[in-house]
Amino acid sequence: DAKTTQPPSMDCAEGRAANLPCNHSTISGNEYVYWYRQIHSQGPQYIIHGLKNNETNEMASLIITEDRKSSTLILPHATLRDTAVYYCIVRVAHTGTASKLTFGTGTRLQVTL
Amino acid sequence: KAGVTQTPRYLIKTRGQQVTLSCSPISGHRSVSWYQQTPGQGLQFLFEYFSETQRNKGNFPGRFSGRQFSNSRSEMNVSTLELGDSALYLCASTTGPGELFFGEGSRLTVL
Repeated sequence: DAKTTQPPSMDCAEGRAANLPCNHSTISGNEYVYWYRQIHSQGPQYIIHGLKNNETNEMASLIITEDRKSSTLILPHATLRDTAVYYCIVRVAHTGTASKLTFGTGTRLQVTL
Repeated sequence: KAGVTQTPRYLIKTRGQQVTLSCSPISGHRSVSWYQQTPGQGLQFLFEYFSETQRNKGNFPGRFSGRQFSNSRSEMNVSTLELGDSALYLCASTTGPGELFFGEGSRLTVL
């Protein structure tokens, strides 16, 4: 799986959009970008994933650059409950099966009042 | 729909002992993965089971083992515990590619 690079920490004011970048310059054509987050002392939570098109769900939006070498996770209106470590993961998706996820060090997002 | 359930949530063992952790996946999920999380190494993949077969294994010594039952429930075992095995052990289940549902974890302390 391709390696990812994320900033170690970011701050965001409550109510503002949080934009979390991820660099994955060695991504292969069949690798997806996944985002997970981990709130303190809890198990990681799946947020969103995409291949090359931008994706949006009830939690966030994922913007992938045209060359697929980087992406941005957007939390449109961050709240204090969004304070967590956010992991960007690149991996091949196998339909109907799971395969291992390689977690990096992630970005620690601190949402403040 | 109930989430992934892990038991026990907390446990304390001494060096040399062995431990068994249990994971009940979300109903209908046949794939179960295990991860170890420590402050120094972060989240690391241990192994993955699908239909009672180990399909993938991380880079851990043979003291770490697991199995999956016909009802998809899974157990992992660590024998001859070492201080460095103190960690949060997370179980995840899935029915689709990449979207893993994690449990709250079992926090093991080895004294």
